[in-house]
Amino acid sequence: AQTVTQSQPEMSVQEAETVTLSCTYDTSESDYYLFWYKQPPSRQMILVIRQEAYKQQNATENRFSVNFQKAAKSFSLKISDSQLGDAAMYFCAYRSGGAQKLVFGQGTRLTINP
Amino acid sequence: ETGVTQTPRHLVMGMTNKKSLKCEQHLGHNAMYWYKQSAKKPLELMFVYSLEERVENNSVPSRFSPECPNSSHLFLHLHTLQPEDSALYLCASSQGRLAGKNIQYFGAGTRLSVL
Repeated sequence: AQTVTQSQPEMSVQEAETVTLSCTYDTSESDYYLFWYKQPPSRQMILVIRQEAYKQQNATENRFSVNFQKAAKSFSLKISDSQLGDAAMYFCAYRSGGAQKLVFGQGTRLTINP
Repeated sequence: ETGVTQTPRHLVMGMTNKKSLKCEQHLGHNAMYWYKQSAKKPLELMFVYSLEERVENNSVPSRFSPECPNSSHLFLHLHTLQPEDSALYLCASSQGRLAGKNIQYFGAGTRLSVL
């Protein structure tokens, strides 16, 4: 079974600085997708970024980018120019290609210090 | 307006009550999901419906009964719950099984407290 591990329960960063959230996963499959979701206090999970395993290029969405290391099974999220609105729980998630089930990590609570 | 709406936002119920959670999606998707989010635990997938047919049931106790009358609505019927069932229940929807289109969009959840 696939597992997703986020080893940082909490992180904090100064506003306008850069922070990196870690995620590792375990799978024997070659076709899969990885996601980062954000859950602010409003509780709604919001998709931040996704990465297809077959793509070598790291995904980027504005201030959010990933460092996808397939051999190491690592999928970290970098947030540049952190803003107060980035404060939230961040979840890393895995999905097998063609499957519908998402496997989530335990989450990292990110605090932005003004 | 969010694409996935869940009601109620909060629910308090006794162990002998019967209640239902409702989820509605306005995104034209054909797959819907129930997740349970407990404190200090990863999100757990409970049920998956695709084209109104239940395609996955992750060993969920029978006191949780899902219903999907059409592709836009999903219910979770609750009866004789236990205090450990207190959690945030999240609904999600996606376009379907095609890998590239299977991005799940979530509602804001129902915070359930069982007394």
